[in-house]
Amino acid sequence: AQSVAQPEDQVNVAEGNPLTVKCTYSVSGNPYLFWYVQYPNRGLQFLLKYITGDNLVKGSYGFEAEFNKSQTSFHLKKPSALVSDSALYFCALDFTGNQFYFGTGTSLTVIP
Amino acid sequence: EPEVTQTPSHQVTQMGQEVILRCVPISNHLYFYWYRQILGQKVEFLVSFYNNEISEKSEIFDDQFSVERPDGSNFTLKIRSTKLEDSAMYFCASSQGQGSGTEAFFGQGTRLTVV
Repeated sequence: AQSVAQPEDQVNVAEGNPLTVKCTYSVSGNPYLFWYVQYPNRGLQFLLKYITGDNLVKGSYGFEAEFNKSQTSFHLKKPSALVSDSALYFCALDFTGNQFYFGTGTSLTVIP
Repeated sequence: EPEVTQTPSHQVTQMGQEVILRCVPISNHLYFYWYRQILGQKVEFLVSFYNNEISEKSEIFDDQFSVERPDGSNFTLKIRSTKLEDSAMYFCASSQGQGSGTEAFFGQGTRLTVV
């Protein structure tokens, strides 16, 4: 069965330091993987996606994610965190073309 | 930037009452979705809608739920007789196309509290 796991409920990082938000997935076919971010009182905003090709995907606001098939992971990264990056981050899997399977979300806090 | 809007942001209702959650998808999008997130749990798919009919639904989407596109702009989720366990954040989403790898755009959510 298909699933997505975000092993960390909370990630804290100092401003200016690199950040990583982890995601692993399980799917029988080809995975299409997404990252969404939710700021307070806002909807889920699309950050980036992996479909095929280059394993390193670049997205909005300086974020990138690395697809690793052998480790079935799709970790979100940013070289230098900003306080404004503090938000809730969701990893999602799509393999039917009709629905997303979401992780439980990771709350990122960037400490000034 | 166009966005999906949902109303109300928070709804409190008594058990057994009917509620209608409203969404205005992005104007040129053709595919519409409802998801929900019970507090502390995952965001779960409820239903997808295209060309005025349901294209896919999950096990959660039972007979108490229905969706409708009553006019050219709104997309609604109706819960006929609410239960305590329907308390959740409900997200509407829309996408331009369908097919694996197409991103959806989500609204800010409606928090439904059933008392």
